[in-house]
Amino acid sequence: QKEVEQNSGPLSVPEGAIASLNCTYSDRGSQSFFWYRQYSGKSPELIMFIYSNGDKEDGRFTAQLNKASQYVSLLIRDSQPSDSATYLCAVNVDLNDMRFGAGTRLTVKP
Amino acid sequence: NAGVTQTPKFQVLKTGQSMTLQCAQDMNHNSMYWYRQDPGMGLRLIYYSASEGTTDKGEVPNGYNVSRLNKREFSLRLESAAPSQTSVYFCAGSMGSDYGYTFGSGTRLTVV
Repeated sequence: QKEVEQNSGPLSVPEGAIASLNCTYSDRGSQSFFWYRQYSGKSPELIMFIYSNGDKEDGRFTAQLNKASQYVSLLIRDSQPSDSATYLCAVNVDLNDMRFGAGTRLTVKP
Repeated sequence: NAGVTQTPKFQVLKTGQSMTLQCAQDMNHNSMYWYRQDPGMGLRLIYYSASEGTTDKGEVPNGYNVSRLNKREFSLRLESAAPSQTSVYFCAGSMGSDYGYTFGSGTRLTVV
């Protein structure tokens, strides 16, 4: 079974804090990893992707990948109320086979 | 630039009725996908089309059929709707697996 696991939350952080979202995956052959943001009632929106071990930074977002531990994370620095959403971890387990976690709901409190 | 467009946005069907969900993209994507999203289950792949003229089953294809009419359009058909098909359906497009997906706005389907 090619699973992608996330803590469903809700994760609550104060405005300005760092939010840390975590994801584990079961297929060791996976090569590409994605984070999507989904506001309530809306469609998922791609915010980050990472292919290599280590960190990748884009503005306030940092994606971290550890293939040996089969672990992907997303850090959101200086969290804003507008970051409140569900964050979906996705893993490409095969060509045209992207598996999604159930998502972590993040609430940023003013 | 419309991106990925889905119709309809909402639909209520009675058990046994049929319907087709439409999806069109203007992003020159080779690959297109249909997913369903259920609470606590995440997005699950129903069918995909890697290129014009080809379609393949995903994780949960039973009860569905698809057509890749041309490069722009990829439709999903429910021949005999069942309450278990109540869900939010998303169409997505991609230039390739490593590029991530662009999703349409979704269709909220209720089967009673």
